[in-house]
Amino acid sequence: DAGVIQSPRHEVTEMGQEVTLRCKPISGHDYLFWYRQTMMRGLELLIYFNNNVPIDDSGMPEDRFSAKMPNASFSTLKIQPSEPRDSAVYFCASKTSGSYEQYFGPGTRLTVT
Amino acid sequence: AQSVSQHNHHVILSEAASLELGCNYSYGGTVNLFWYVQYPGQHLQLLLKYFSGDPLVKGIKGFEAEFIKSKFSFNLRKPSVQWSDTAEYFCAVSSTSGTYKYIFGTGTRLKVLA
Repeated sequence: DAGVIQSPRHEVTEMGQEVTLRCKPISGHDYLFWYRQTMMRGLELLIYFNNNVPIDDSGMPEDRFSAKMPNASFSTLKIQPSEPRDSAVYFCASKTSGSYEQYFGPGTRLTVT
Repeated sequence: AQSVSQHNHHVILSEAASLELGCNYSYGGTVNLFWYVQYPGQHLQLLLKYFSGDPLVKGIKGFEAEFIKSKFSFNLRKPSVQWSDTAEYFCAVSSTSGTYKYIFGTGTRLKVLA
């Protein structure tokens, strides 16, 4: 059974460019979470969805960040324009209703130069 | 404010040494507690979890953790570490009220010397 799938695994871009990260949750999971991991701040929750609807986006750092979930099997996290301080590993996780255990994807390592 | 503290940022041990990683949390209400492990270059994997009942929980690979409510702690232990335990370990807490948000600690990097 496939786990959470993220693409790309690595992304290098220049400051000012738009970046789109993608996530496919585990089939049947109706919650999806986006996290950012940095050395300075550790793992931070950016936003999470339930049944494709954003529930809490209080962790989204600023308007340059946006996330969508157009259907149950796909979500994107977009940064426009990107800045060097956005460099981090971005994780997607999913879970089922009634379960507190989240399953994490392999992450996307973003480098903004 | 809700927070999770992991006081040991870097730990270096020799194989067969005992391990204890500290985790303290500040969170109103009842909580669920988790330890996740991230091996080099890999994604986070659940090591063990506590929801209720016996405060001593056992996880995979010989790890265990004890929930001490009076101390707001959930320390991770392993009696004898192996080189393959080299990884980063994260403690996390979530509310039992259904918000499902995790608050993670900053992580502890464990290096086990062969």
